[in-house]
Amino acid sequence: NAGVTQTPKFRVLKTGQSMTLLCAQDMNHEYMYWYRQDPGMGLRLIHYSVGEGTTAKGEVPDGYNVSRLKKQNFLLGLESAAPSQTSVYFCASSSRGLRGGNTEAFFGQGTRLTVV
Amino acid sequence: KNQVEQSPQSLIILEGKNCTLQCNYTVSPFSNLRWYKQDTGRGPVSLTIMTFSENTKSNGRYTATLDADTKQSSLHITASQLSDSASYICVVSVYNTDKLIFGTGTRLQVFP
Repeated sequence: NAGVTQTPKFRVLKTGQSMTLLCAQDMNHEYMYWYRQDPGMGLRLIHYSVGEGTTAKGEVPDGYNVSRLKKQNFLLGLESAAPSQTSVYFCASSSRGLRGGNTEAFFGQGTRLTVV
Repeated sequence: KNQVEQSPQSLIILEGKNCTLQCNYTVSPFSNLRWYKQDTGRGPVSLTIMTFSENTKSNGRYTATLDADTKQSSLHITASQLSDSASYICVVSVYNTDKLIFGTGTRLQVFP
């Protein structure tokens, strides 16, 4: 059981380049999330999805787009990368919304992205 | 403003010793509080989840407490092991939303 898998693990981009981060989960979870983690700050929500074909903006959505064409995959796209998008990106999934008392969120291992 | 503050920022202890990490939050209305362990270069892994009505929850050598009145939580680690070296993140959920407010974490280092 792989859980949540992120691809790639590391990437270096030049300013203005585009890329897509892939998140795949094999737990049949409805909810999926993309977070970024920066030094000295807590994880911040970029975008999330409550089911196949749905997406919604989180706390810091600017400069990113997402798609959830299949239930098990959640893609995060950077159309024109900027140095401010240098960060570690984490994907997570949960069976239900996190407002629930005991709903766990499962995280991937992260993607370290550097934009130069 | 919804905030989660953790202390200390970093902590060094000897193997076998106990330690307690603190979390204060100003999130309102409150739904639940989670503690995660994040190993270097890995994603966070859930340790405990506590709702408003719970004031303690254990997971092996990890025991979390919650005082919803004072908006404080603690994570106590008993008989520390080298594998406990990690960052510990306190996360609070806003009531009736799926929004999580993450603390910046406490970095724990356990030395032999």
